[in-house]
Amino acid sequence: QVQLVESGGGVVQPGRSLRLSCAASGFTFSTYGMHWVRQAPGKGLEWVAVIWYDGSVKHYADSVEGRFTISRDNSKNTLYLQMDSLRAEDTAVYYCARDGSPPRWDVWGQGTTVTVSS
Amino acid sequence: DIVMTQTPLSSPVTLGQPASISCKSSQSLVHSDRHTYLSWLQQRPGQPPRLLIYEISNRFSGVPDRFSGSGAGTDFTLKISRVEAEDVGVYYCMQATQFPHTFGQGTKLEIK
Repeated sequence: QVQLVESGGGVVQPGRSLRLSCAASGFTFSTYGMHWVRQAPGKGLEWVAVIWYDGSVKHYADSVEGRFTISRDNSKNTLYLQMDSLRAEDTAVYYCARDGSPPRWDVWGQGTTVTVSS
Repeated sequence: DIVMTQTPLSSPVTLGQPASISCKSSQSLVHSDRHTYLSWLQQRPGQPPRLLIYEISNRFSGVPDRFSGSGAGTDFTLKISRVEAEDVGVYYCMQATQFPHTFGQGTKLEIK
């Protein structure tokens, strides 16, 4: 079935890096744009980044611009989020989501938790 | 950035009664392609978000028909005709018309 599975979360010190992965299955990954969305503990949803189906276009939230990098490997059906210079305020559950056609976020992963703490 | 404002933030509802959530955007959500990329998501406790409605009023596959969306421009509404126990959770509106995509603060639906 159509599925997204995030991994790579954990506890990391401020200033360090972490790379999240989102493994896709059950659909033609290379034909869909993909998003990262995060949710801080007890808070609402915050969009983080998007990448076009072919990786040609990327957009970021101001809060992560210059520190986070979204990428994908269509040969591996995997989406990535490289997170550098992490801050306490990046602590959140990170979800990947598929951007369907017509545009709609129709498939979501279960999320992976990132905790930035010394 | 487009600010999405939801009201109410909390909605206690009796089972079988209707519920309504309002979402207002700080700018028109009509895209240059004439589509309005306003969606509604449901997040049940301990679960990831789930798409309910896209482009204002299109119910996503598998979503019960007691959920409906309406509105235009900057004012949008999600209605549940008869609330069921499984509808408990937080509801978010979100816009994908312009970057950065933004969400409302969320409305917590609970049973009285």
